[in-house]
Amino acid sequence: QVQLQESGPGLVKPSQTLSLTCTVSGASISSGGYYWSWVRQHPGKGLEWIGSIYYSGSAYYNPSLKSRVTISVDTSKNQFSLKLSSVTAADTAVYYCAKKVGGGAFDYWGQGTLVTVSS
Amino acid sequence: EIVLTQSPGTLSLSPGERATLSCRASQSVNNNYLAWYQQKPGQAPRLLIYGASNRPTGIPDRFSGSGSGTDFTLTISGLEPEDFAVYCCHQYGSPPWTFGQGTKVEIK
Repeated sequence: QVQLQESGPGLVKPSQTLSLTCTVSGASISSGGYYWSWVRQHPGKGLEWIGSIYYSGSAYYNPSLKSRVTISVDTSKNQFSLKLSSVTAADTAVYYCAKKVGGGAFDYWGQGTLVTVSS
Repeated sequence: EIVLTQSPGTLSLSPGERATLSCRASQSVNNNYLAWYQQKPGQAPRLLIYGASNRPTGIPDRFSGSGSGTDFTLTISGLEPEDFAVYCCHQYGSPPWTFGQGTKVEIK
């Protein structure tokens, strides 16, 4: 059974960089065929795709966030990470990591982690 | 960017009733790459339907999806108590991947 688990600070100050890591178990990131992704959900709102990365390191970002987002992968630890720079209160959200089948939907999700941007 | 509009915003039904949820895309969804998710408070989304009409292993057959192009429907044939939740559609045919705002199915 594939499991994903987000980790990282739950509170980030405005203008700083939000950093989260997703640890994958039950599947190998380096096996290929999947896009390892970040999706967020503002309180009481819908879901927003942030970006996805392939095991090779090729990353794809939502144009609305592209200038501030970096997603990286560490196949040795079976983890992938999200960095979102210059955060504001508008970046307060639950952040999910998810597995996306190539050409498919998001089939496995982490439980999500709430990140609050506040001084 | 493809905008997905779901209707209605809230659906009030009784257990055993049939639920019909709509998702309309601002432009045609490539290859009908349209998925539906169920989300309960404090939980991650759960994939119910992919490719407009396909159910992953383990999803009950009371959940069915239909549609093509710009108009898609999720039908729950007989609501069970555990089905009262928020449902959202998602297109993965054209980047950026986008989601609808959700339909809440609540107990009447």
